[in-house]
Amino acid sequence: SQQGEEDPQALSIQEGENATMNCSYKTSINNLQWYRQNSGRGLVHLILIRSNEREKHSGRLRVTLDTSKKSSSLLITASRAADTASYFCATGRWNTDKLIFGTGTRLQVFP
Amino acid sequence: EAGVTQFPSHSVIEKGQTVTLRCDPISGHDNLYWYRRVMGKEIKFLLHFVKESKQDESGMPNNRFLAERTGGTYSTLKVQPAELEDSGVYFCASSPRVPGGSETQYFGPGTRLLVL
Repeated sequence: SQQGEEDPQALSIQEGENATMNCSYKTSINNLQWYRQNSGRGLVHLILIRSNEREKHSGRLRVTLDTSKKSSSLLITASRAADTASYFCATGRWNTDKLIFGTGTRLQVFP
Repeated sequence: EAGVTQFPSHSVIEKGQTVTLRCDPISGHDNLYWYRRVMGKEIKFLLHFVKESKQDESGMPNNRFLAERTGGTYSTLKVQPAELEDSGVYFCASSPRVPGGSETQYFGPGTRLLVL
């Protein structure tokens, strides 16, 4: 099966630092999305970047996409304790609505 | 606007029993999806409804799983009989049907299923 992979699997930082998570995928995509999951909660959509885009910003989030390397990165600037969560990338492909998720990065932000 | 809701939030059953999970999508969303995350693994797609029709059920693991969406509103996912490997978190998501397709899916909180 086709899967995305994130690295690192886990990341611990201090409040105020930046957090960078990476995602790699295997097939041609239509878009790539990042989701956050707080402990025991559902997935919250953060940002979507299309295959013809290279970079996108939303508040403290910055996403890049390199389709030649089949990879994406999520940067959270000036992190806060409330950013502590698991972060997943998910790819959308042409001709199907289903999302292919990565394995996730667990981010811990210490106050 | 109410989000996607799922019931129950947790379920603990014994191997061989039956469990039915329910998902209520966001009102007006024609697309409804089921995903699951087995312990320690990635979130995997199970199936996709457009209104009451199954658009894609390629992710359904076997015939012990039955999904329905009668009337095109809420959906149920029944596991019968449940096996140990069915334990995990079952997520439901919905999205509106728009020209060109809607990429963003709105997820519910999930149902945590434990089969003993």
